[in-house]
Amino acid sequence: DIQMTQSPSSLSASVGDRVTITCRASQSISSQLNWYQHKPGKAPKFLIYAASSLQGGVPSRFSGSGSGTEFTLTISSLQPEDFGTYYCQQSYSPLVTFGGGTKVEIK
Amino acid sequence: EVQLVESGGGLVKPGGSLRLSCAASGFIFSSYSMNWVRQAPGKGLEWVSSSSSSSSYKYYADSVKGRFTISRDNAKNSLYLQMNSLRAEDTAVYYCARHRVDDSSGYLPPTLDYWGQGILVTVSS
Repeated sequence: DIQMTQSPSSLSASVGDRVTITCRASQSISSQLNWYQHKPGKAPKFLIYAASSLQGGVPSRFSGSGSGTEFTLTISSLQPEDFGTYYCQQSYSPLVTFGGGTKVEIK
Repeated sequence: EVQLVESGGGLVKPGGSLRLSCAASGFIFSSYSMNWVRQAPGKGLEWVSSSSSSSSYKYYADSVKGRFTISRDNAKNSLYLQMNSLRAEDTAVYYCARHRVDDSSGYLPPTLDYWGQGILVTVSS
Protein backbone atom coordinates (compact mmCIF):
# COMPACT_ATOMS: atom_id res chain seq x y z
CA ASP A 1 0.00 0.00 0.00
CA ILE A 2 1.02 3.59 -0.59
CA GLN A 3 1.78 5.40 2.68
CA MET A 4 0.91 9.07 3.03
CA THR A 5 2.72 11.21 5.60
CA GLN A 6 1.59 14.70 6.56
CA SER A 7 3.46 17.40 8.43
CA PRO A 8 3.05 19.08 10.75
CA SER A 9 0.50 17.08 12.73
CA SER A 10 -0.85 20.32 14.18
CA LEU A 11 -0.32 24.05 13.93
CA SER A 12 -1.65 27.23 15.43
CA ALA A 13 -1.74 30.39 13.36
CA SER A 14 -3.31 33.84 13.41
CA VAL A 15 -6.00 35.19 11.11
CA GLY A 16 -4.31 36.48 7.97
CA ASP A 17 -1.28 34.17 8.24
CA ARG A 18 -0.08 32.05 5.34
CA VAL A 19 -0.32 28.36 6.24
CA THR A 20 1.40 25.48 4.46
CA ILE A 21 0.79 21.76 5.02
CA THR A 22 3.01 19.10 3.45
CA CYS A 23 2.05 15.61 2.31
CA ARG A 24 4.57 12.99 1.19
CA ALA A 25 3.82 9.71 -0.58
CA SER A 26 5.91 6.56 -0.14
CA GLN A 27 6.10 6.20 -3.93
CA SER A 28 5.35 8.39 -6.91
CA ILE A 29 1.64 9.04 -7.34
CA SER A 30 1.96 11.48 -10.25
CA SER A 31 -0.59 14.22 -9.49
CA GLN A 32 -3.22 11.89 -8.03
CA LEU A 33 -3.54 13.73 -4.72
CA ASN A 34 -6.62 15.19 -3.06
CA TRP A 35 -7.16 17.42 -0.02
CA TYR A 36 -10.07 17.49 2.44
CA GLN A 37 -11.06 19.64 5.40
CA HIS A 38 -12.81 17.99 8.34
CA LYS A 39 -14.49 19.76 11.23
CA PRO A 40 -15.78 17.93 14.34
CA GLY A 41 -19.26 16.52 13.90
CA LYS A 42 -19.40 17.43 10.21
CA ALA A 43 -18.94 15.59 6.93
CA PRO A 44 -15.47 16.01 5.44
CA LYS A 45 -15.32 18.72 2.79
CA PHE A 46 -13.59 18.13 -0.53
CA LEU A 47 -11.18 20.96 -1.37
CA ILE A 48 -8.64 20.09 -4.09
CA TYR A 49 -8.19 17.27 -6.60
CA ALA A 50 -5.38 16.28 -8.94
CA ALA A 51 -2.93 18.08 -6.64
CA SER A 52 -3.85 21.60 -7.73
CA SER A 53 -7.42 21.80 -9.07
CA LEU A 54 -9.79 23.68 -6.80
CA GLN A 55 -13.22 22.10 -6.30
CA GLY A 56 -16.07 24.44 -7.20
CA GLY A 57 -17.14 26.71 -4.38
CA VAL A 58 -13.88 26.43 -2.46
CA PRO A 59 -12.39 29.85 -1.66
CA SER A 60 -9.41 30.86 -3.79
CA ARG A 61 -7.22 31.32 -0.70
CA PHE A 62 -6.81 27.53 -0.81
CA SER A 63 -4.28 26.19 -3.29
CA GLY A 64 -2.40 22.96 -3.89
CA SER A 65 0.84 22.08 -5.61
CA GLY A 66 3.27 19.24 -6.15
CA SER A 67 3.72 16.03 -8.07
CA GLY A 68 5.48 12.72 -7.65
CA THR A 69 5.94 12.24 -3.92
CA GLU A 70 5.75 15.71 -2.39
CA PHE A 71 2.69 17.95 -2.20
CA THR A 72 1.58 21.07 -0.38
CA LEU A 73 -1.69 22.66 0.62
CA THR A 74 -1.48 26.40 1.16
CA ILE A 75 -3.98 28.74 2.76
CA SER A 76 -2.84 32.18 1.64
CA SER A 77 -4.64 34.18 4.33
CA LEU A 78 -6.05 32.10 7.18
CA GLN A 79 -9.67 32.86 8.10
CA PRO A 80 -11.53 31.99 11.33
CA GLU A 81 -13.65 29.40 9.52
CA ASP A 82 -10.56 27.52 8.31
CA PHE A 83 -10.08 25.68 11.62
CA GLY A 84 -10.27 21.92 11.43
CA THR A 85 -8.19 18.95 10.38
CA TYR A 86 -6.82 18.70 6.85
CA TYR A 87 -6.17 15.36 5.16
CA CYS A 88 -4.40 14.43 1.98
CA GLN A 89 -5.48 11.28 0.09
CA GLN A 90 -3.89 9.49 -2.82
CA SER A 91 -6.10 8.47 -5.74
CA TYR A 92 -3.33 6.66 -7.64
CA SER A 93 -4.15 3.20 -6.29
CA PRO A 94 -7.62 1.66 -5.81
CA LEU A 95 -6.43 0.86 -2.28
CA VAL A 96 -7.04 4.34 -0.94
CA THR A 97 -4.86 5.87 1.75
CA PHE A 98 -5.14 9.09 3.70
CA GLY A 99 -2.47 11.06 5.45
CA GLY A 100 -2.60 11.21 9.23
CA GLY A 101 -4.08 14.71 9.23
CA THR A 102 -2.98 18.21 10.20
CA LYS A 103 -5.02 19.96 12.85
CA VAL A 104 -5.24 23.72 12.24
CA GLU A 105 -6.11 25.96 15.16
CA ILE A 106 -6.71 29.70 15.12
CA LYS A 107 -4.67 31.66 17.67
CA GLU B 1 -28.63 18.52 -4.62
CA VAL B 2 -26.54 15.46 -3.85
CA GLN B 3 -27.49 13.86 -0.54
CA LEU B 4 -26.05 10.81 1.20
CA VAL B 5 -27.72 9.60 4.39
CA GLU B 6 -26.27 6.76 6.45
CA SER B 7 -28.29 4.54 8.77
CA GLY B 8 -28.01 1.27 10.65
CA GLY B 9 -25.36 2.16 13.20
CA GLY B 10 -25.48 1.42 16.90
CA LEU B 11 -24.02 -0.63 19.72
CA VAL B 12 -22.97 -4.21 19.01
CA LYS B 13 -20.99 -6.78 20.99
CA PRO B 14 -17.59 -8.01 19.84
CA GLY B 15 -18.04 -10.79 17.31
CA GLY B 16 -21.43 -9.45 16.29
CA SER B 17 -22.72 -8.14 12.98
CA LEU B 18 -24.23 -4.94 11.71
CA ARG B 19 -25.40 -3.70 8.31
CA LEU B 20 -24.98 -0.06 7.37
CA SER B 21 -27.04 1.58 4.64
CA CYS B 22 -26.47 4.75 2.65
CA ALA B 23 -29.44 6.29 0.84
CA ALA B 24 -28.40 8.44 -2.12
CA SER B 25 -30.32 11.14 -3.96
CA GLY B 26 -29.75 14.06 -6.30
CA PHE B 27 -27.60 12.22 -8.84
CA ILE B 28 -27.67 9.13 -11.09
CA PHE B 29 -26.57 6.63 -8.45
CA SER B 30 -26.11 3.78 -10.93
CA SER B 31 -23.40 5.74 -12.75
CA TYR B 32 -21.07 6.36 -9.80
CA SER B 33 -18.70 4.27 -7.74
CA MET B 34 -19.25 4.60 -4.01
CA ASN B 35 -17.18 4.25 -0.87
CA TRP B 36 -17.14 3.76 2.87
CA VAL B 37 -14.66 5.71 5.02
CA ARG B 38 -14.44 5.64 8.82
CA GLN B 39 -12.98 7.66 11.65
CA ALA B 40 -12.24 6.00 14.97
CA PRO B 41 -12.40 8.17 18.10
CA GLY B 42 -9.39 10.48 18.21
CA LYS B 43 -8.00 9.08 14.96
CA GLY B 44 -7.81 10.17 11.34
CA LEU B 45 -9.81 9.17 8.31
CA GLU B 46 -9.46 5.55 7.19
CA TRP B 47 -10.77 4.24 3.87
CA VAL B 48 -12.78 1.03 4.30
CA SER B 49 -14.15 -0.10 0.95
CA SER B 50 -15.13 0.92 -2.59
CA SER B 51 -17.60 -0.45 -5.13
CA SER B 52 -17.80 0.37 -8.80
CA SER B 53 -21.16 1.42 -10.22
CA SER B 54 -22.05 -2.04 -11.48
CA SER B 55 -20.45 -3.84 -8.52
CA SER B 56 -17.89 -5.37 -10.90
CA TYR B 57 -15.01 -3.99 -8.87
CA LYS B 58 -14.87 -4.08 -5.09
CA TYR B 59 -11.91 -3.10 -2.94
CA TYR B 60 -11.28 -3.44 0.79
CA ALA B 61 -8.78 -2.20 3.34
CA ASP B 62 -6.66 -4.99 4.80
CA SER B 63 -8.12 -4.21 8.23
CA VAL B 64 -11.62 -5.29 7.14
CA LYS B 65 -10.98 -7.77 4.32
CA GLY B 66 -12.81 -11.04 4.89
CA ARG B 67 -15.09 -9.50 7.54
CA PHE B 68 -16.85 -6.64 5.73
CA THR B 69 -18.77 -6.80 2.44
CA ILE B 70 -19.76 -3.80 0.34
CA SER B 71 -22.83 -4.05 -1.87
CA ARG B 72 -25.31 -1.80 -3.61
CA ASP B 73 -28.81 -1.83 -5.02
CA ASN B 74 -28.97 0.59 -7.93
CA ALA B 75 -32.74 0.22 -8.18
CA LYS B 76 -33.03 1.51 -4.62
CA ASN B 77 -30.22 4.10 -4.88
CA SER B 78 -28.61 2.49 -1.88
CA LEU B 79 -25.15 1.42 -0.75
CA TYR B 80 -24.55 -1.11 2.02
CA LEU B 81 -21.77 -2.33 4.28
CA GLN B 82 -22.25 -5.71 5.93
CA MET B 83 -19.94 -5.88 8.92
CA ASN B 84 -19.30 -9.28 10.51
CA SER B 85 -16.95 -10.47 13.26
CA LEU B 86 -16.84 -6.95 14.66
CA ARG B 87 -13.98 -5.91 16.92
CA ALA B 88 -13.53 -3.07 19.37
CA GLU B 89 -11.17 -1.41 16.88
CA ASP B 90 -14.05 -1.16 14.37
CA THR B 91 -15.67 1.44 16.64
CA ALA B 92 -15.89 4.55 14.50
CA VAL B 93 -18.08 7.00 12.66
CA TYR B 94 -18.71 5.51 9.21
CA TYR B 95 -19.15 7.79 6.21
CA CYS B 96 -20.60 7.04 2.81
CA ALA B 97 -18.87 9.00 0.02
CA ARG B 98 -19.21 9.35 -3.73
CA HIS B 99 -16.54 9.21 -6.44
CA ARG B 100 -16.21 12.62 -8.08
CA VAL B 101 -16.25 11.19 -11.63
CA ASP B 102 -18.79 8.70 -12.99
CA ASP B 103 -17.76 5.30 -14.32
CA SER B 104 -18.34 6.09 -18.01
CA SER B 105 -14.57 5.82 -18.68
CA GLY B 106 -14.09 2.81 -16.45
CA TYR B 107 -13.25 2.49 -12.77
CA LEU B 108 -10.84 5.07 -11.40
CA PRO B 109 -9.37 5.29 -7.90
CA PRO B 110 -11.60 7.53 -5.84
CA THR B 111 -11.67 11.23 -5.35
CA LEU B 112 -14.47 11.73 -2.87
CA ASP B 113 -16.57 14.79 -3.61
CA TYR B 114 -19.74 14.22 -1.55
CA TRP B 115 -19.93 12.71 1.90
CA GLY B 116 -22.75 11.76 4.24
CA GLN B 117 -22.94 13.06 7.80
CA GLY B 118 -21.75 9.76 9.18
CA ILE B 119 -23.16 7.09 11.49
CA LEU B 120 -21.64 5.85 14.73
CA VAL B 121 -20.83 2.18 15.22
CA THR B 122 -19.76 1.15 18.71
CA VAL B 123 -18.39 -2.32 19.35
CA SER B 124 -18.35 -3.03 23.06
CA SER B 125 -19.44 -5.66 25.55
